[in-house]
Amino acid sequence: GAGVSQSPSNKVTEKGKDVELRCDPISGHTALYWYRQSLGQGLEFLIYFQGNSAPDKSGLPSDRFSAERTGGSVSTLTIQRTQQEDSAVYLCASSLARDSSYEQYFGPGTRLTVT
Amino acid sequence: AQSVTQLGSHVSVSEGALVLLRCNYSSSVPPYLFWYVQYPNQGLQLLLKYTTGATLVKGINGFEAEFKKSETSFHLTKPSAHMSDAAEYFCAVSDGSGGYNKLIFGAGTRLAVHP
Repeated sequence: GAGVSQSPSNKVTEKGKDVELRCDPISGHTALYWYRQSLGQGLEFLIYFQGNSAPDKSGLPSDRFSAERTGGSVSTLTIQRTQQEDSAVYLCASSLARDSSYEQYFGPGTRLTVT
Repeated sequence: AQSVTQLGSHVSVSEGALVLLRCNYSSSVPPYLFWYVQYPNQGLQLLLKYTTGATLVKGINGFEAEFKKSETSFHLTKPSAHMSDAAEYFCAVSDGSGGYNKLIFGAGTRLAVHP
């Protein structure tokens, strides 16, 4: 079946612009995660959605970052007023349930470059 | 807080040689532990996981790992390396706080396999 998809695969933007990154999870997966992979910081958790519950935003690095998940499916990560330090690969993952033993399936990522 | 340490950012082995990638973790609660592999320009793929039960865990592509609580380790091994094993490997621990599977990743180990 179809895996997690993300778009765009690559995004180049100018400093100060806003960007939106999209994640389509595997159908039926109720849990959705965003992670960031950068040279200096490695892989970092950003935000978690589970069903209709309030998301856990504890990993978002600043108030320029926000995310939403519409209808319990597609998620959008928005970065406002982008900075060069936002350059990274943004990975989305989904899983069947909130239990820790359930595997997270990762998308291919969106590579963001801020110039 | 949980953390993961991967010893060796780069490991190089000969084809057919033993692969050993080291991972140590810290956790105040019984951890769930994971190894993920990332091939160039791709997302992360789960190799294996430890949740409960048998401490020797077998995964895909001939990899296995052993959970050693006394050593707080979860080292990844493969008896005989193949050229296709060249990739980056990430060890992760599950942060069960809040009742969900936020992954805390190590910095990664890049495995090179030479003829």
